[in-house]
Amino acid sequence: GENVEQHPSTLSVQEGDSAVIKCTYSDSASNYFPWYKQELGKGPQLIIDIRSNVGEKKDQRIAVTLNKTAKHFSLHITETQPEDSAVYFCAASRGYSTLTFGKGTMLLVSP
Amino acid sequence: KAGVTQTPRYLIKTRGQQVTLSCSPISGHRSVSWYQQTPGQGLQFLFEYFSETQRNKGNFPGRFSGRQFSNSRSEMNVSTLELGDSALYLCASSPFSGGTEAFFGQGTRLTVV
Repeated sequence: GENVEQHPSTLSVQEGDSAVIKCTYSDSASNYFPWYKQELGKGPQLIIDIRSNVGEKKDQRIAVTLNKTAKHFSLHITETQPEDSAVYFCAASRGYSTLTFGKGTMLLVSP
Repeated sequence: KAGVTQTPRYLIKTRGQQVTLSCSPISGHRSVSWYQQTPGQGLQFLFEYFSETQRNKGNFPGRFSGRQFSNSRSEMNVSTLELGDSALYLCASSPFSGGTEAFFGQGTRLTVV
């Protein structure tokens, strides 16, 4: 089955800096890659997703890039703010199959 | 548009008991998936229901079961509770079968004592 590795497990940045979280996947047939943000006491929130026919997608301060050849995808957050502090999860699926999640990255943004 | 609603939010049960958790998906969504979240194992897939049929099942023992009703609401049942079943149980709804565009509820925090 699919295996998703996520790095780093924790990431500390200063407010205004950029943050990058990277994931690799094992199943070359995976074609859907969402990112979720989970704040304390809440369920994961879908923040951005990308499909395999696209190399990059941007939504305001967040962007996701996908390299199908290398089987890795990344989340980029620019101009980080304290409210960006949360645990971020990447996931992969074949679309019709279930999501396989990475272990998560705890992002801490210091004012 | 209302989000995914899970009830109850918190549960404390004794080892050996059984428990039923409920999930109401976003209106119009026909897929409901259940996940177990623990600090050690992360988010692990339990099962998915689409139009009242189980479409996918994760690697969990038969003590974990679920069902989906005609209005897409879903329930998850765990029988003969073990201490290791303590976790946050999350449900996600999607308009499509599988994991595409899945939106999660707040979860049910189950503690087994």
